[in-house]
Amino acid sequence: EVQLVESGGGLVQPGGSLRLSCAASGFIFNSYAMSWVRQAPGKGLEWVSGFSGSGGSTYYADFLKGRFTMSRDNSKNTLYLQMNSLSVEDTALYYCAKAPGRSAFDAFDIWGQGTLVTVSS
Amino acid sequence: EIVLTQSPATLSLSPGERATLSCRASQSVSRYLAWYQQKPGQAPRLLIYDASNRATGIPARFSGSGSETDFTLTISSLEPEDFAVYYCQQCSIWPLTFGGGTKVDIK
Repeated sequence: EVQLVESGGGLVQPGGSLRLSCAASGFIFNSYAMSWVRQAPGKGLEWVSGFSGSGGSTYYADFLKGRFTMSRDNSKNTLYLQMNSLSVEDTALYYCAKAPGRSAFDAFDIWGQGTLVTVSS
Repeated sequence: EIVLTQSPATLSLSPGERATLSCRASQSVSRYLAWYQQKPGQAPRLLIYDASNRATGIPARFSGSGSETDFTLTISSLEPEDFAVYYCQQCSIWPLTFGGGTKVDIK
């Protein structure tokens, strides 16, 4: 079964850091494009970052202003999102999502259940 | 960045009725548009990709159409499990963007 399981969310103070993980199973991890998508409480979906299946290109949303870094460890079938300089506006449920192929320009056919990040003093 | 505008924001219908949801892009996305369904407490589920292709396991009552800047998701006859929020997403140009969503609720 194809599955994505996020972890690492929690409560953090403004200005703090957090690293999210997404463990993948049931597919050849390094063959597929992956992304992080977030959803603030009661709001819509917002794409955060992503890269192609080859790992050659990494893309970020402009609003991040260099605060987040996405990476992957193909040996562990795990995706990461390092989040620094967090603000209250970053409070959201963070999903990892898989594309159906290598291309980063694609829909997301598999989603995890999300990990909640709360930024508050 | 490409802005996707979904309308209406809320659609109140009864089971068995036809639902027509709209997604308009601020510039052409060709046919690189997807639709998702999200129920409370659940992750989004892919319904339609490339404007009109149903994802695996999606019932035939869901259909997508359109190209360039205007797209439509149609649910031919609403089932009780279809009452949810629906999002469109463009996959043409980075950054990938989502519409604000249309909530389909029970009239």
